[in-house]
Amino acid sequence: GQQLNQSPQSMFIQEGEDVSMNCTSSSIFNTWLWYKQEPGEGPVLLIALYKAGELTSNGRLTAQFGITRKDSFLNISASIPSDVGIYFCAGSYTGTASKLTFGTGTRLQVTL
Amino acid sequence: GAVVSQHPSWVICKSGTSVKIECRSLDFQATTMFWYRQFPKQSLMLMATSNEGSKATYEQGVEKDKFLINHASLTLSTLTVTSAHPEDSSFYICSATTIGLAAYSYEQYFGPGTRLTVT
Repeated sequence: GQQLNQSPQSMFIQEGEDVSMNCTSSSIFNTWLWYKQEPGEGPVLLIALYKAGELTSNGRLTAQFGITRKDSFLNISASIPSDVGIYFCAGSYTGTASKLTFGTGTRLQVTL
Repeated sequence: GAVVSQHPSWVICKSGTSVKIECRSLDFQATTMFWYRQFPKQSLMLMATSNEGSKATYEQGVEKDKFLINHASLTLSTLTVTSAHPEDSSFYICSATTIGLAAYSYEQYFGPGTRLTVT
C-alpha cells in the first residue's frame, strides 16, 4: 500500500534541542495527523490538522498543514528524554471515519 | 476518554492453528474500527476497515478468508487469523472512531496492539 515519506528516518539529539521532521506525499490530503508510538504500544494522537496552512500547537509540539496539501511538518521544542519514540504522520482524504495512510516514521532518540 | 483496548496483548501459537484478537472501545461507541499490521521497524499498514453490522472492507493484498473480521457490536471487533503461519507473526493494532467523538471524526484512537508469534 501507499506510504508517506517522512524525513529524517531517525535522529539523535541532545536534551533541550529543538526537533523538526516532515512528511511529504504525492497525493493531496484534507487531513493530516501526527502520532507518537513507543515500543510495544499503539500510536497516540498528538496533533490533528484540518485546513491547508493551519498551524496548531500542543504544548511543546507544533505542526503545520502545508499549503499544497501534500506535506506537513512537526516541531518539538526543548526536547526531553520522554520524547523518545517513533513519530508517524498520517493523511486522510476521503471524509468521515476515513482510512489513514501512514508515513514511514521518524525515530527520535534523545541523549542527556 | 477515547480508550481502546486489545486482548490478548501477546500470543504465541503453533503453525496451522487459529488465533482471535479482540478490540474494544471502552468509553465510546465505535461505528468504524480499523485493523493494522506492523512488522518490526516498519510503519502501520491498514489491513481492513470494519463497520458495525456490515462486512469488512479489505485492503488490496489482504486475504479476507485468512483474516476474518467481525464487528458485531458498537464496542467490539474481532480479528481471527486462521491457519496461522510464521510469516503472519507481527504486531496487530486496531483503531476506532465515531462521528461526534471529536471535532471531526477523522481522528482514530488506537489500541495498545497484540504481538502474535507463530512457531
